Amino acid sequence: QSALTQPASVSGSPGQSITISCTGTSSDVGGYNRVSWYQQHPGKAPKLMIYDVSNRPSGVSDRFSGSKSGNTASLTISGLQAEDEADYYCCSYRSSSTIVLFGGGTKLTVL
Amino acid sequence: EVQLVESGGGLVQPGGSLRLSCAASGFFFSAFEINWVRQAPGKGLEWVSFSTTRGTTVYYADSVRGRFTFSRDNAKNLMYLQMDSLTAEDTAVYYCARFPGESYMDVWGKGTTVIVSS
Repeated sequence: QSALTQPASVSGSPGQSITISCTGTSSDVGGYNRVSWYQQHPGKAPKLMIYDVSNRPSGVSDRFSGSKSGNTASLTISGLQAEDEADYYCCSYRSSSTIVLFGGGTKLTVL
Repeated sequence: EVQLVESGGGLVQPGGSLRLSCAASGFFFSAFEINWVRQAPGKGLEWVSFSTTRGTTVYYADSVRGRFTFSRDNAKNLMYLQMDSLTAEDTAVYYCARFPGESYMDVWGKGTTVIVSS
C-alpha cells in the first residue's frame, strides 16, 4: 500500500501561483477520475478542496483547480493568499481492498 | 447541519482495546459509505477502514487488519471502530469521514485522539 507521491514542500509569494503534483499508478490515479485534494491547517480536520479530479465543492474558492494527466494529478492554487498556507493531501480511489490511497502530504508556505 | 462527531478516544496501554464511535446528523446516514482515517503525530493522513452503506462490505488497511473492526448501526446513525491489540504505532487522531460514491470525503469529524502508552 505505497502512498501516492507528493513533494514534501512548496512555497510561493502572495499573488503567485503554485502547483502540487501527485503521482500514482494506473491502478489508482491513472485508472479512475476519483482524485481528491484536501487542505489541512494545524490542529484542524482535513477539508475537501477538489473532488473527481477537477471539481470544486460549493464554497471553495475558484483559485483552486485540479487536473490529471496519466498517472499524475495536480492541484494549482492561483493568487496565493496567506490563509492558503497549510498541508495539502491528494487522495485516490483504487480498485482493491485498499480502496483509498493518500499522498504523503505537501506543506505549502506562503512567503 | 451535516455533521460527524467522533468520541471514545483516550489513553490505553499497549495490548489494550478501545472502541471509537462516530455519530452522524443532518443527512441520510444509511445512504453513505464511510471511511475511518487516522493521523499520527506529525505525520500524514492514513486510510484505516471503509464500510459500504449497509456495512455488508468492510475493508481494512494492512496495518490494522485482524485487529480493528468497523461496524455501523444505521438505525441509530452511529458507527464504531473496535480497536484491539493496540500498539504505540496506533497512536493518532482518528477521523470518520463521509465517502459518497466511493470517490471523495466531503464531511469529516473533528477527530478523537488515541494514545497508546504504558
